[in-house]
Formats: sequence, structure tokens, C-alpha cells
Amino acid sequence: DVKVTQSSRYLVKRTGEKVFLECVQDMDHENMFWYRQDPGLGLRLIYFSYDVKMKEKGDIPEGYSVSREKKERFSLILESASTNQTSMYLCASSTTHGTQYFGPGTRLLVL
Amino acid sequence: SQQGEEDPQALSIQEGENATMNCSYKTSINNLQWYRQNSGRGLVHLILIRSNEREKHSGRLRVTLDTSKKSSSLLITASRAADTASYFCATDARGRSEKLVFGKGTKLTVNP
Repeated sequence: DVKVTQSSRYLVKRTGEKVFLECVQDMDHENMFWYRQDPGLGLRLIYFSYDVKMKEKGDIPEGYSVSREKKERFSLILESASTNQTSMYLCASSTTHGTQYFGPGTRLLVL
Repeated sequence: SQQGEEDPQALSIQEGENATMNCSYKTSINNLQWYRQNSGRGLVHLILIRSNEREKHSGRLRVTLDTSKKSSSLLITASRAADTASYFCATDARGRSEKLVFGKGTKLTVNP
């Protein structure tokens, strides 16, 4: 079974802090994704990566950056957390043209 | 926007009844997928239907696709309380088939 893990289920940070969300997949998938999910807005793509060191902006990249140094790991970075980044963050991976497999999510609260 | 839209936004039924959810989208697709999300968890893939398919079954799930109407439906037969979850459709267009665009979901409640 494909396994996608995220470093934290719940996270509380203060405004202005630098925040790292880590995601690891164990199926050698080329593609990895970061979404945020907010009530009434559904899932919105922040960034995705189609290969090591390759990334592409999604629909809402502002305030976020990403890093993919190894195929299995995709990190989402909030350079200076703000209260409007309080959300559920979901990581996913997939093969090309494939189904996406999601991690359990990280619920981030920025105070 | 390519974003699929599910209908209804919320659905409440009794155990044993069938649940039907619909999804509409705006541009051409290669395939359409349905996902399920239990409260506070990640999404789980249920089924994928390709643009040249009209119907697909998986256990108690039946998915139809009408590309002329740009719509899909997900039918869950003989529902169980454990089917309580949010259900999302996702389409793959916009020139990059590995990227999916998700709808806002239908929240299904199955009452025991």
C-alpha cells in the first residue's frame, strides 16, 4: 500500500515564525503536491513538484515556498506565518496520469 | 474555472438507502476521479473513470460520466453509517494531466 506521511497532525505557531511542514512518500512517485483545505473553499493547490528540485506554482503560492531535495520528501515552508495561513494542509503523491494518494493532513493554527 | 462542482452540498439519508452525488465541470477532461474524506483526515481515492467510459462499478459504488453534459454522478448503494464522509470529484484538465482540480465536496451523513 502507498503510504504518505506528514510530520505533524496538529501544529500551533505564532505570527512571524518560520514553519516547515514535511511530507514523505514511500512509493517512488514522481509527483508530489501540497494543498490547503478551508471550509467552503475546498482543496486548493499551493505547489506541486514533478521531479527532484522541480516545482511549479499552484493556485495560491503566495506566502509559501517548497523544497524537494529527495524524491520521497516534499517540504512546504511558510517563511513568516500569518493568521490567514491557519488551515488544514494536505500532502499527496502520484505517478504521472495517476491517482493521488494523500497523507493524513496537518492542522495548523497560527496565533 | 475548471473546478468541478458537487451537488448537493450536503445529503442526509438513512442506512440502507442509496446516495447519489453529482459533479459538473466546465472544460474537456481526460479522466474524472472521486475521492472520499472522513472528518479531519486525508482524502482516499475511490474510483477513476476515463473520458471514453460511460459507467464504472466498484463494490457498492457506481460512477457514470456524460462528457456531452460535462457531468458525473456517484451512486452509493445500500449505504452504511460508515459511509458518512465528504465526497469530492476531481478533474485532470488544464494541460497537465497529473494535476487535479477538486470540487468543494458533498457532505454525506448516513443515519443508523
